[in-house]
Amino acid sequence: NAGVTQTPKFRILKIGQSMTLQCTQDMNHNYMYWYRQDPGMGLKLIYYSVGAGITDKGEVPNGYNVSRSTTEDFPLRLELAAPSQTSVYFCASRPGLAAYNEQFFGPGTRLTVL
Amino acid sequence: AQSVTQPDIHITVSEGASLELRCNYSYGATPYLFWYVQSPGQGLQLLLKYFSGDTLVQGIKGFEAEFKRSQSSFNLRKPSVHWSDAAEYFCAVGGNTGGFKTIFGAGTRLFVKA
Repeated sequence: NAGVTQTPKFRILKIGQSMTLQCTQDMNHNYMYWYRQDPGMGLKLIYYSVGAGITDKGEVPNGYNVSRSTTEDFPLRLELAAPSQTSVYFCASRPGLAAYNEQFFGPGTRLTVL
Repeated sequence: AQSVTQPDIHITVSEGASLELRCNYSYGATPYLFWYVQSPGQGLQLLLKYFSGDTLVQGIKGFEAEFKRSQSSFNLRKPSVHWSDAAEYFCAVGGNTGGFKTIFGAGTRLFVKA
């Protein structure tokens, strides 16, 4: 199993550009999450999904969009990149049904907006 | 409000010395508690978790943590630190909320000196 994979690993965007961060998991997990990590701030939840076709906002959703057409994929879209979106983005998945199940994280995407 | 506090931004210990990383949480329902570790340039990996039963839990890499309900704490310990333990450590709390969302602390960076 590859686990959770993310592409790209690094990206530099200009202000106003758009891009999609890809996330795929091969563990058949129902729950998937997008976080951003800023220095000294821990991880903040952007969006999450409890299954194909079902998504919901997290703590910091502004400026982002998501979709979940399959169990495996959970892409994150930035429509109009802003410098405030410079961050490291992590995708995670977990099996559902129990709050004590851990999350499995991808390696992250480091995004810089100039 | 739900929150996780890790009071130490960074800690430096000598190799072979003992380690304790502090974590305090505020959570309105039954908490499910986690410690994750993040090596440089990597995603997060679960060290251990607590959800019921014995309040002293054992994890991977020789780590343990103790849940103290009266103090709302879940401190991480290791008797003898190895240079390879240098990383960032995140305490997290989750529960039976929609999407099983998890709240992360800001992290503690551990430096190990020879």
